[in-house]
Amino acid sequence: GAVVSQHPSRVICKSGTSVKIECRSLDFQATTMFWYRQFPKQSLMLMATSNEGSKATYEQGVEKDKFLINHASLTLSTLTVTSAHPEDSSFYICSARGGQTSSPLHFGNGTRLTVT
Amino acid sequence: DAKTTQPPSMDCAEGRAANLPCNHSTISGNEYVYWYRQIHSQGPQYIIHGLKNNETNEMASLIITEDRKSSTLILPHATLRDTAVYYCIVRVATGANSKLTFGKGITLSVRP
Repeated sequence: GAVVSQHPSRVICKSGTSVKIECRSLDFQATTMFWYRQFPKQSLMLMATSNEGSKATYEQGVEKDKFLINHASLTLSTLTVTSAHPEDSSFYICSARGGQTSSPLHFGNGTRLTVT
Repeated sequence: DAKTTQPPSMDCAEGRAANLPCNHSTISGNEYVYWYRQIHSQGPQYIIHGLKNNETNEMASLIITEDRKSSTLILPHATLRDTAVYYCIVRVATGANSKLTFGKGITLSVRP
């Protein structure tokens, strides 16, 4: 149980275009999902907290107009990287929690974004 | 979230127990200890969590000291596939602060 599916696993796009990443909780309902970014040889950095039916909460230094988050249902959150630039190339990972708030977060397998 | 301190790396022999330490001396009474691991180019994998009692599941055991200022993750019979970065995280279970903040983790290398 507690499977989080992330799609696509890998994407290459040209500078200036937008890319959408989907995160789905497959066997549970997730009122809260989290989006992380990880650069090579670094740890995961939390970007934003996504709550179903409300606006996302962004961490300090993360541009909300660049990283658009939509959490329209209890099983789906999307992250759109708008007007992508090479410096946005990174590993993006989502996570979700079901059940009790003490329940562990479960993570997707990440999306490798390369902006050329 | 309270910060945790982990050694940067350790290794162990295949088949032996791997004991991964973690210090969390400023942990609050309502914060849980969570362990995750990340194998290269994959999302983190949940291993185990606990509040104050020792916990065991099919993957590992978690030993939390009585004062809760440190804990040890035990992989009883390490295999080569256990080579990964292991993260020890403390987290408030409820409210707006119930997010996971990752530190640098400990890189476990299991040698044949």
